[in-house]
Amino acid sequence: DIQMTQSPASLSASLEEIVTITCQASQNIGNWLAWYQQKPGKSPQLLIYGTTSLADGVPSRFSGSRSGTQYSLKISRLQVEDIGIYYCQQASSTPPTFGGGTKLELK
Amino acid sequence: QVQLKESGPGLVQPSETLSLTCTVSGFSLTSYSVSWVRQPSGKGPEWMGRMWYDGDTAYNSALKSRLSISRDTSKNQVFLKMNSLQTDDTGTYYCTRALPGYNFDYWGQGVMVTVSS
Repeated sequence: DIQMTQSPASLSASLEEIVTITCQASQNIGNWLAWYQQKPGKSPQLLIYGTTSLADGVPSRFSGSRSGTQYSLKISRLQVEDIGIYYCQQASSTPPTFGGGTKLELK
Repeated sequence: QVQLKESGPGLVQPSETLSLTCTVSGFSLTSYSVSWVRQPSGKGPEWMGRMWYDGDTAYNSALKSRLSISRDTSKNQVFLKMNSLQTDDTGTYYCTRALPGYNFDYWGQGVMVTVSS
């Protein structure tokens, strides 16, 4: 199975700050990478798919990028409603696998 | 609008079988696939298996020997059965709709399953 390694495991940031979360794939997955946001007690919500495509209704302050097998999620100006846990997921091969998560908190 | 809702028992005895139902609305099971994903408390999600739109299935090899996914398109329902449950099967179980590939665009609210005697 493809392993997805996220960093950092937790992150504390201020409002309006730029936040970047990274995800390293154990092998080539091309652009088959998705990001999800999960708030406490809620289901994960798709933010980005295909490395860079925003899901419906996702604010434009979220963006995704790739460098080789390293993927990044960037929040350009952190808002209160962005607090939660973020997961990356490879969609390249069966089984799809998720990263361990990054917990984003307000400083 | 698209909705998925899981139902099933919250408590299962060790070694017994878990049966869950996912009832969907707002889309057709013959046009979209539905996956089951579970999440232990405080951990990342784990994909369990998938019911394709054409009725075919795919399973996580780690669970394949214990897992079965089926559907009833007339009732808009997808079913999960997993046997020989152990305590590390405890967690929240979700059904999700998948875009082409493995991008999960809609999720149910989840059902918390505890395996305990």
